[in-house]
Amino acid sequence: QVQLVQSGAEMKKSGSSVKVSCKASGGTLSDYAISWVRKAPGQGLEWMGGNIPIYGTINYAQKFQDRVTITADESTNTAYMELRSLTSEDTALYYCADIGYGDFAPFDYWGQGTLVTVSS
Amino acid sequence: QSALTQPASVSGSPGQSITISCTGTTSDVGGFNYVSWYQQHPGQVPRLIIYNVSHRPSGVSNRFSGSKSGNTASLTISGLQAEDEAEYYCISYTSINTQIFGGGTKLTVL
Repeated sequence: QVQLVQSGAEMKKSGSSVKVSCKASGGTLSDYAISWVRKAPGQGLEWMGGNIPIYGTINYAQKFQDRVTITADESTNTAYMELRSLTSEDTALYYCADIGYGDFAPFDYWGQGTLVTVSS
Repeated sequence: QSALTQPASVSGSPGQSITISCTGTTSDVGGFNYVSWYQQHPGQVPRLIIYNVSHRPSGVSNRFSGSKSGNTASLTISGLQAEDEAEYYCISYTSINTQIFGGGTKLTVL
């Protein structure tokens, strides 16, 4: 059973960047289809981008393509999501999760979520 | 790319069945059998209840079922129970190798 543990809550100013980490235990991160999903207050779930296992390809939602970078450090079994040029609309709970990707069925592993609050 | 279309809310009485629709296009829902459904209770992480249109993970009640016709996927919950009251989201793989969620549906058990 894989466990995903995310970094703690962040408070950021508009225009700045945030980098959230997601450390896996009980398995090798690169074996899983890890996506980053966010939920803003009063809004639904939103897919930001994710990794296709085996191929190591990372794809991004068009909405975030210019502002987000997803990386992984195999040595520490940790994935990262960096979001730049933050605005108040980026205030949300950010999750890393294996929700599957195309041929790769989901394992349904979720991090606990990281609250990012953006203020002016 | 716009979110998949789900009804904002549905309701039903205990014991009844309800169906939640998730409408996309031929570039997502209609083009692939990679539609999943998630249940989210307030303050909790989402939970997978259906994947690949109609497959149920182990541990998920057989009261939950999924199907697809054309560009619309559907989640049916039979024998409604109070604990089913939650937000439900569909998600589909897309032709540009991304994924997209539906807007979410609030299920109220009357």
